[in-house]
Amino acid sequence: DTAVSQTPKYLVTQMGNDKSIKCEQNLGHDTMYWYKQDSKKFLKIMFSYNNKELIINETVPNRFSPKSPDKAHLNLHINSLELGDSAVYFCASSQDLASGGRNTQYFGPGTRLTVL
Amino acid sequence: GNSVTQMEGPVTLSEEAFLTINCTYTATGYPSLFWYVQYPGEGLQLLLKATKADDKGSNKGFEATYRKETTSFHLEKGSVQVSDSAVYFCALPTQGGSEKLVFGKGTKLTVNP
Repeated sequence: DTAVSQTPKYLVTQMGNDKSIKCEQNLGHDTMYWYKQDSKKFLKIMFSYNNKELIINETVPNRFSPKSPDKAHLNLHINSLELGDSAVYFCASSQDLASGGRNTQYFGPGTRLTVL
Repeated sequence: GNSVTQMEGPVTLSEEAFLTINCTYTATGYPSLFWYVQYPGEGLQLLLKATKADDKGSNKGFEATYRKETTSFHLEKGSVQVSDSAVYFCALPTQGGSEKLVFGKGTKLTVNP
């Protein structure tokens, strides 16, 4: 019944490892996002996909690669993890691109990534 | 692009106190404005929004009025509860028609019994 779900909720890993975070939405939305929230709660968009196509790609290291197998899923793969990657990562979704910026975004519960 | 400046906290209030969290924006045109709330350990959720000037968004006793004269969208609640303790974010699209939001830095509110 959860609208936007993410797995895992917590992820603790060593520097240099590769990890993935999965996101699924059951709202029928066309657009999905990944955000990074740092320790000071500052929230910044990383990527956005619309109908499986990348539409927003902020200045994010290319170690981060989003993948959208279908419009209900947007996964985030991170290669060669670094200490600075430690943060909470949120997935979100919204209806479509035609709202003119009026759409509500629905957020997942977050994945707390800790890199040791 | 558009930007938002939000009052930084933390804000600590006693139950039933009046709350104001200031938010001002810089934008081209009149974009939609949003307040999102993040309860401890959870993701953000929409609290309220206003899609045009002079609109008032309201939800759960919170209100915010879209004021183009002062480019503000301050969040208010007349009587806060312990359950309102959370981080509050003001947000707007980065540019006209964009789905990409820019968020304020967040204001942490703690309400004590």
